[in-house]
Amino acid sequence: GENVEQHPSTLSVQEGDSAVIKCTYSDSASNYFPWYKQELGKRPQLIIDIRSNVGEKKDQRIAVTLNKTAKHFSLHITETQPEDSAVYFCAASNRDDKIIFGKGTRLHILP
Amino acid sequence: DAGITQSPRHKVTETGTPVTLRCHQTENHRYMYWYRQDPGHGLRLIHYSYGVKDTDKGEVSDGYSVSRSKTEDFLLTLESATSSQTSVYFCAIRRTSGGYNEQFFGPGTRLTVL
Repeated sequence: GENVEQHPSTLSVQEGDSAVIKCTYSDSASNYFPWYKQELGKRPQLIIDIRSNVGEKKDQRIAVTLNKTAKHFSLHITETQPEDSAVYFCAASNRDDKIIFGKGTRLHILP
Repeated sequence: DAGITQSPRHKVTETGTPVTLRCHQTENHRYMYWYRQDPGHGLRLIHYSYGVKDTDKGEVSDGYSVSRSKTEDFLLTLESATSSQTSVYFCAIRRTSGGYNEQFFGPGTRLTVL
């Protein structure tokens, strides 16, 4: 079955700097890669996703990249702000009914 | 919020007692999921449903059962709760977008088993 590895588990960056979170997956049939943000005490919220027919996708300060050959995908946050502090989860899904989540990255934005 | 509610939002119970958590959705989605979230483990799938009376196991299904007698409700039951089942439980629905598995989560239930 699919296995998703996520790194780092904790990341601290200065406000205004960029943050990068990386994930790898094992199932070459996976074709959908969502990213979720979870603030303390809240539900995970879908913030961006990328599909296997696309190499990069941007939404304001957030971008995701996908390298199908290497089976890895990344989340990039530019010009980080205090409200970016949260736990971020990557996930992977093929055409079956399930998605598999990484274990999460706790992002701290330092003032 | 994809019209998903969970009840109760918090529950404290004792080892050995049965517990049922409810997930309710208002948008007629076919797929519904139950996850548990624990520190260091991320989100792990317990069970899911792909239609009324159609369910299947996830990676951590031992000690849990589910039922879906109508589209809008997906129930998770712990027949005899154990301390290892202390966790935050999230329900999710799937919006099928071009065949892709977009999932949206309910607000969660924090369960403590003493």
